[in-house]
Amino acid sequence: DAGITQSPRHKVTETGTPVTLRCHQTENHRYMYWYRQDPGHGLRLIHYSYGVKDTDKGEVSDGYSVSRSKTEDFLLTLESATSSQTSVYFCAISEAPGQVFGRYTFGSGTRLTVV
Amino acid sequence: KQEVTQIPAALSVPEGENLVLNCSFTDSAIYNLQWFRQDPGKGLTSLLLIQSSQREQTSGRLNASLDKSSGRSTLYIAASQPGDSATYLCAVPNTGNQFYFGTGTSLTVIP
Repeated sequence: DAGITQSPRHKVTETGTPVTLRCHQTENHRYMYWYRQDPGHGLRLIHYSYGVKDTDKGEVSDGYSVSRSKTEDFLLTLESATSSQTSVYFCAISEAPGQVFGRYTFGSGTRLTVV
Repeated sequence: KQEVTQIPAALSVPEGENLVLNCSFTDSAIYNLQWFRQDPGKGLTSLLLIQSSQREQTSGRLNASLDKSSGRSTLYIAASQPGDSATYLCAVPNTGNQFYFGTGTSLTVIP
């Protein structure tokens, strides 16, 4: 999607290794989110950020950490990858999610396989 | 916690039919509701955002309605086409700046 880029698009990693996924935006939106999408569970929030260095946990945050040192970049780190973290990871941005005009824009996703 | 439900989970219709997708939510204190489309192996594309003060929003063959008091939204697709085949998801934000998603309706339009 225009204005939001995820990298890498695909990754295969071994159990126990650390993995970092990157989300980059050019929209200057304040809010950034990491979701995972799994069959039967839909989209579940991992972590989100409401500003530089301001982050908070979502419903499935165990085993994940995030960092946001610049407005445009939001990093998701799997500290020690496990097979249960095999999933498709989506980044999303929003200018004002709690406001009546707050639209959500998604990246194209990262397909992560942990073997 | 907001619970968002979409029924049916899957729907198959012949080309040309009009159809309705449903989304229900448990907490009616929402600011807006957004409908997305997801093609297989792809990300989510925003279709319509309907504000809490609105009752309807239209884009081409798509029309979304919102009834906050009953906790329901519908997405109406007119004259369906095979290219409309995708998964459709609805999402609502809470006051904590998080969005809650339904699990989606998988639509197949048969030529």
